[in-house]
Amino acid sequence: GAVVSQHPSRVICKSGTSVKIECRSLDFQATTMFWYRQFPKQSLMLMATSNEGSKATYEQGVEKDKFLINHASLTLSTLTVTSAHPEDSSFYICSARDSSAGKNYGYTFGSGTRLTVV
Amino acid sequence: AQSVAQPEDQVNVAEGNPLTVKCTYSVSGNPYLFWYVQYPNRGLQFLLKYITGDNLVKGSYGFEAEFNKSQTSFHLKKPSALVSDSALYFCAVRDRDNYGQNFVFGPGTRLSVLP
Repeated sequence: GAVVSQHPSRVICKSGTSVKIECRSLDFQATTMFWYRQFPKQSLMLMATSNEGSKATYEQGVEKDKFLINHASLTLSTLTVTSAHPEDSSFYICSARDSSAGKNYGYTFGSGTRLTVV
Repeated sequence: AQSVAQPEDQVNVAEGNPLTVKCTYSVSGNPYLFWYVQYPNRGLQFLLKYITGDNLVKGSYGFEAEFNKSQTSFHLKKPSALVSDSALYFCAVRDRDNYGQNFVFGPGTRLSVLP
């Protein structure tokens, strides 16, 4: 089945530094990938939709200059948290849509990245 | 606008007993409905989906869910719970008439199966 690899699974960084999270579709092409953020004991909140070869579409309230998204190929999207602050600490999850699948299905989630900013 | 409600933050059930995790939804069009499970510090794992056809959907690990259009519900069920079923469960909806739209997730229900 479709597999999405998300790396790293855990990262601790100092305040003010930047962190890059990768989301790869391993055995399918994904023209569209999604980035979510999950706060403790809360549901997933969509941050942005990443489209291969074009600019990402950000949800209202998400700072595009802080959360940089690059979807340079059909199998890789990256989320870079720039100038991270402790309030950016969260669980980030990506999902990818199989371009060859119908609209009924084809969404696969990554295993998530736990970001801790100290 | 789409929305998903999971009225119970927490469900406790004894091992071997049947379990139900409730979900109701609101969409402007016709829904695609999904259940996902999340274990600690892990991503979401797909359990089952309703697209069309039979209202009773069977999924992974013995779970099933019944689509009830009149009640706009999609409750998750399992006849006999296992301790290993303890996790966080999310119901999600997509509007089938809005191709490419992303999921709207419910707030999640934490299931604890007691030995």
